[in-house]
Amino acid sequence: DTAVSQTPKYLVTQMGNDKSIKCEQNLGHDTMYWYKQDSKKFLKIMFSYNNKELIINETVPNRFSPKSPDKAHLNLHINSLELGDSAVYFCASSRGTVRNTIYFGEGSWLTVV
Amino acid sequence: EDQVTQSPEALRLQEGESSSLNCSYTVSGLRGLFWYRQDPGKGPEFLFTLYSAGEEKEKERLKATLTKKESFLHITAPKPEDSATYLCAVAQGGSEKLVFGKGTKLTVNP
Repeated sequence: DTAVSQTPKYLVTQMGNDKSIKCEQNLGHDTMYWYKQDSKKFLKIMFSYNNKELIINETVPNRFSPKSPDKAHLNLHINSLELGDSAVYFCASSRGTVRNTIYFGEGSWLTVV
Repeated sequence: EDQVTQSPEALRLQEGESSSLNCSYTVSGLRGLFWYRQDPGKGPEFLFTLYSAGEEKEKERLKATLTKKESFLHITAPKPEDSATYLCAVAQGGSEKLVFGKGTKLTVNP
């Protein structure tokens, strides 16, 4: 069973569209994250939720809105997509604080055309 | 200002040729240093966590070490299947963020 699963794996969409990426973890973790990996492969945190509460919100455009319906799910909704949003988005989870190991999903490849 | 710097950016080895990857960090109050492996088209896969200077961890052909300023990932007698990008990340005091380096792309030729 996949520990951290995200869908879709690939997404091609036009500028201006709204899209969502879903994430679920079955590890029993209470903290979930969204990371963005750009074309240079640099991995950077976007958001973190602990027990459904937002604890990290990096300088991300407010077109990006995370939603955590419960501890096992963290979805990412993106409004008015722009070309620069093209990247790989990784969902991740951990138990408690960042001092504990973070486990990543397989990634969602978003291409905005 | 980069808090986590990995070197080299890319490394090409022959099978069996041992080497080391470097991760230097400037964060204060280190809460943990993590090594991940990332294969093309995949998410980062956890390898090791180190918490204090002098600590060492081993797994198969990989050994990670930690000092107060840097960490090394030693690869002994690598095989082609060790080819991947190796990412280093640090967790610093007062923050819940994990800060990643830009990675070292390792290629092991048969």
